[in-house]
Amino acid sequence: DAGVIQSPRHEVTEMGQEVTLRCKPISGHNSLFWYRQTMMRGLELLIYFNNNVPIDDSGMPEDRFSAKMPNASFSTLKIQPSEPRDSAVYFCASSPGIGELFFGEGSRLTVL
Amino acid sequence: ILNVEQSPQSLHVQEGDSTNFTCSFPSSNFYALHWYRWETAKSPEALFVMTLNGDEKKKGRISATLNTKEGYSYLYIKGSQPEDSATYLCAFYYGGATNKLIFGTGTLLAVQP
Repeated sequence: DAGVIQSPRHEVTEMGQEVTLRCKPISGHNSLFWYRQTMMRGLELLIYFNNNVPIDDSGMPEDRFSAKMPNASFSTLKIQPSEPRDSAVYFCASSPGIGELFFGEGSRLTVL
Repeated sequence: ILNVEQSPQSLHVQEGDSTNFTCSFPSSNFYALHWYRWETAKSPEALFVMTLNGDEKKKGRISATLNTKEGYSYLYIKGSQPEDSATYLCAFYYGGATNKLIFGTGTLLAVQP
C-alpha cells in the first residue's frame, strides 16, 4: 500500500493567493483527518471526516479555510485568501475507525 | 476545553539511560489513548493504541501504561539509544458527541551517544 499521499509537499505563495492542499487516504480507511503543525501550538486538529462526511470542523481557524471530501479516496483543504500566519505544515491522516492514524508526509506551506 | 498535557517538554539523556514521560488527559468520555513517535522531517508513526484501564503495552525497549480513572499514561524507554531521538506524542481519543483525537504538544527526546 502506498500510504497516505499528500500534495504538494512544499508550496510557497504570496499573501492573498488561494492554496489547495490534497490528500489521498489509504484505501479502505473510513476516517480522514486534517492537522496543522506549528511551533506555537504543536499538532492541532482542523477537521475530521467519517465516511466522507465532515463530523467536526471546530478546529478550522476561520472562514478562509474549507475542506471537502467528495469521495472516499480524495480530500482537499483550501485556504482563500491565504495569509502569512497560515504558514505551517499541514498533515493529512487516515484511520480504519478509532484505531491508529496513518499520516501523510505533510505539505509545508509558506505564505509570504 | 479538551486538554492533553505532556511532560517534560524536552529531555536530554545519555545513551544507555532509561527514561519516562507523562501524558495527562481528561478522565471522562475516554475512548482510547494513542502514543506516536515523530522523527524530524518525517510524519508521526503509531507506537501504541491503548483502550483499557490498566493496559500495559510493550514494543522492544519501549513500553507504556494507562490509568483512565486518574487520566494519565506513562511511556518508558529502557536503555535509550541515539536512534530513539524523536518527539513522542500522546493523543486522547475523545468519545463524546463527536469522536476526535486530540494531540498533546509532545516530549522531545534527545539521546547523546
